[in-house]
Formats: sequence, structure tokens, C-alpha cells
Amino acid sequence: AQKITQTQPGMFVQEKEAVTLDCTYDTSDPSYGLFWYKQPSSGEMIFLIYQGSYDQQNATEGRYSLNFQKARKSANLVISASQLGDSAMYFCAMREKSFGFQKLVFGTGTRLLVSP
Amino acid sequence: DADVTQTPRNRITKTGKRIMLECSQTKGHDRMYWYRQDPGLGLRLIYYSFDVKDINKGEISDGYSVSRQAQAKFSLSLESAIPNQTALYFCATLDGNVGNEQFFGPGTRLTVL
Repeated sequence: AQKITQTQPGMFVQEKEAVTLDCTYDTSDPSYGLFWYKQPSSGEMIFLIYQGSYDQQNATEGRYSLNFQKARKSANLVISASQLGDSAMYFCAMREKSFGFQKLVFGTGTRLLVSP
Repeated sequence: DADVTQTPRNRITKTGKRIMLECSQTKGHDRMYWYRQDPGLGLRLIYYSFDVKDINKGEISDGYSVSRQAQAKFSLSLESAIPNQTALYFCATLDGNVGNEQFFGPGTRLTVL
């Protein structure tokens, strides 16, 4: 079964507008973490934001915020005021503890294109 | 200097050849990982290591082996490369005591002809 589902293969947004990238997850572990990574065309993986399963408030990092809805098992990334440099692949990932060891499971990604 | 380095950054090889991809880190992290990325499939875990004496298979370990020569070094080997191992390979590290974030290397693009 898919642990992390990103249903949007591609998204388009105009510069300065906000965009939401969807992510749903599946786990039976009460302790887990959710991550978003950005991968520009150069290929590196850039950490954006983290949300723990016990965190009461939604995580925010600058223009990035994570809309965490635990009951719905969703962890959508919201990018406010999009910039041209935001064009990239975005991956949602989940940390699960397996015998005390942390592994990340990734979704298939969403390609975001920001237009002028 | 980068905290997590991978060598080589690009490699083209032929079917049947033995290939080693190397990863080094200066972050002092105990945990290291190897992932491969294929278009449309995201990143998938090949192997991971808790420390130099702990090596574990990930979800797609067939055709690969690893060596944790030191805390700072984690190598991935393809004993006999095949074309469907053509992919982008990432090494990552994590501080198991405090970490949430995995730190990724720049990736190695491997092409098997």
C-alpha cells in the first residue's frame, strides 16, 4: 500500500500567487514525522519543512507552511507568494520508526511550474 | 565544503561492470542511507546503516551491496550493473540522537548501457 500519496503530477501557478501541493499519508505508528523536500532541476534535495505527529501547530518556514490535518492524514505544503525560483519537483516524505531506526518514505513528487 | 559528498557525480558504464559509488560526510552523523530516484517513482531506499556494524536492506536492495568503512563513509556497489539500474543515486545522513532532517548529498547520475 502506498504510504505517501501525491496525486498532482504537475501544478502551475503564477508568480506572487499561493499554491497548495497535496500529500496524504498512511501509517499506524502514532509517532511519525512529515517532511517536504524541493528538488530543482540541478538535482539536489533541499529540505523545506517538518511536521511532527504530536505538534499542535502547523509548521511554518518563511513562505512555506504545512497544512497538517491529522484526522484526514494529510500534510499539504502551502507556498505563499510564489517566485520563479520555486519551479521544481516537490516531494512529501514520512518518517517511520522501525526498530528505533528512522527511515524516510517518499511520495512520487509534484512538479511545480511558476510562470511570470 | 559540502557536508555530504558523493563521488562520482556522473558515471556511464556498461552492462556487467562492477561499479562503486562513494559517500562521505563531515556532519558526524551516525546514520547513513542510499536511495535511488527514478522518474515517476520518487526516492526509494536501497540500504541504510545505523553505524559501522549495522547494515540493513531497504525496499530495493537486490543487485546492490554496501560497505560502511567508517562512520563517515558509506559505499554502494553494483556487482554487475544492468541497464535498469540507470538512475540518480542519493546518499543521505541523519543524526539519530536529535535528527528529524535527513541531509542529502548532491546525487550521482549513473547510466548503464
